[in-house]
Amino acid sequence: DADVTQTPRNRITKTGKRIMLECSQTKGHDRMYWYRQDPGLGLRLIYYSFDVKDINKGEISDGYSVSRQAQAKFSLSLESAIPNQTALYFCATSRGQGEFFGPGTRLTVL
Amino acid sequence: QKEVEQNSGPLSVPEGAIASLNCTYSDRGSQSFFWYRQYSGKSPELIMFIYSNGDKEDGRFTAQLNKASQYVSLLIRDSQPSDSATYLCAVAGGTSYGKLTFGQGTILTVHP
Repeated sequence: DADVTQTPRNRITKTGKRIMLECSQTKGHDRMYWYRQDPGLGLRLIYYSFDVKDINKGEISDGYSVSRQAQAKFSLSLESAIPNQTALYFCATSRGQGEFFGPGTRLTVL
Repeated sequence: QKEVEQNSGPLSVPEGAIASLNCTYSDRGSQSFFWYRQYSGKSPELIMFIYSNGDKEDGRFTAQLNKASQYVSLLIRDSQPSDSATYLCAVAGGTSYGKLTFGQGTILTVHP
């Protein structure tokens, strides 16, 4: 079944470590997104990509970077993790009629 | 003013009642409107979308859109305890081409 997958599902790391969250999809969608969700702050867009050669910053891109390795793969990196990056991270895909979310990665930075 | 605002919750309704969830948006150029349901600890799930003024029905769910008033709502008829979740309103188009702007969400509890 066409799907959006994220790895890892849970990760605990220490301040200063480099972390990569990976997203892959079998939906054939061109558009991919990374969000973080914090209690009381809702979903906030970190980066988005409309195709392999297109990368755009969202509202909270500082401290993050992304790589679109292929149409189906979109990775999010935290170059030097800090505690306030502790959150639930979602990848999403779209063909323009709403976004479809992966299961999420719960990241804890100690 | 927030770009997308939802009625403050939590909202509690008895089983079998109609739950009404409301959302207003600030960008008059917005063209597409979505409702997501999110269970605790899970990812948002798209349940309805609407593009044109008026009502759109899908089973127990009805989305209503009034672009002149910049208002979109979701009605859930015959509410069930399994409908208990956070409902997110999202808007696309206008200055947010190709991406969604989400509201903060409304927590709905349906009690037996």
